[in-house]
Amino acid sequence: RKEVEQDPGPFNVPEGATVAFNCTYSNSASQSFFWYRQDCRKEPKLLMSVYSSGNEDGRFTAQLNRASQYISLLIRDSKLSDSATYLCVVNNNQGGKLIFGQGTELSVKP
Amino acid sequence: EPEVTQTPSHQVTQMGQEVILRCVPISNHLYFYWYRQILGQKVEFLVSFYNNEISEKSEIFDDQFSVERPDGSNFTLKIRSTKLEDSAMYFCASSEWENEQFFGPGTRLTVL
Repeated sequence: RKEVEQDPGPFNVPEGATVAFNCTYSNSASQSFFWYRQDCRKEPKLLMSVYSSGNEDGRFTAQLNRASQYISLLIRDSKLSDSATYLCVVNNNQGGKLIFGQGTELSVKP
Repeated sequence: EPEVTQTPSHQVTQMGQEVILRCVPISNHLYFYWYRQILGQKVEFLVSFYNNEISEKSEIFDDQFSVERPDGSNFTLKIRSTKLEDSAMYFCASSEWENEQFFGPGTRLTVL
């Protein structure tokens, strides 16, 4: 089983749509969880950390279910500028390596 | 807004040559990292560095790789004898504490 597994995509959605990404992780001892976005051939950019209580930042909502080892990201009212690859990222120990999923590609069309 | 910087943006080298990739982490950050991403593949951890020593490294980070913080600002990754399979994008990252990591724009390494 992959350490971090994501929907492969691509997701093609119209502007204004709501889109959800899912991610599962294999290590139940994982401690920190993040969503990064990556534009083509660019660096990963931190989108948001994911907390057990769930958290929201504008149009973006992240959820964590530790029992199911499942992380989600919801994007409401999609914009053209949201087109990117979304990376689910897990940290198994404080200060240590980040483990990346393969990423889910999102394409928002006019 | 402070950011991680990396030089060069693109490095082309011959197989067997040594390369040094340079990074300037965010100034008040204490933890430094190198990752790589082979074209079309996921981002992979190479090494983490704290308090002037390696704190964790992956299987990829073998004897051909080394890291150094030669002064108060730079953080370098050296590959002693490059192989074709070292061709990848190399990202430096830093974090203030053991939390969110911020990435530099990357160095694209091409080994011929």
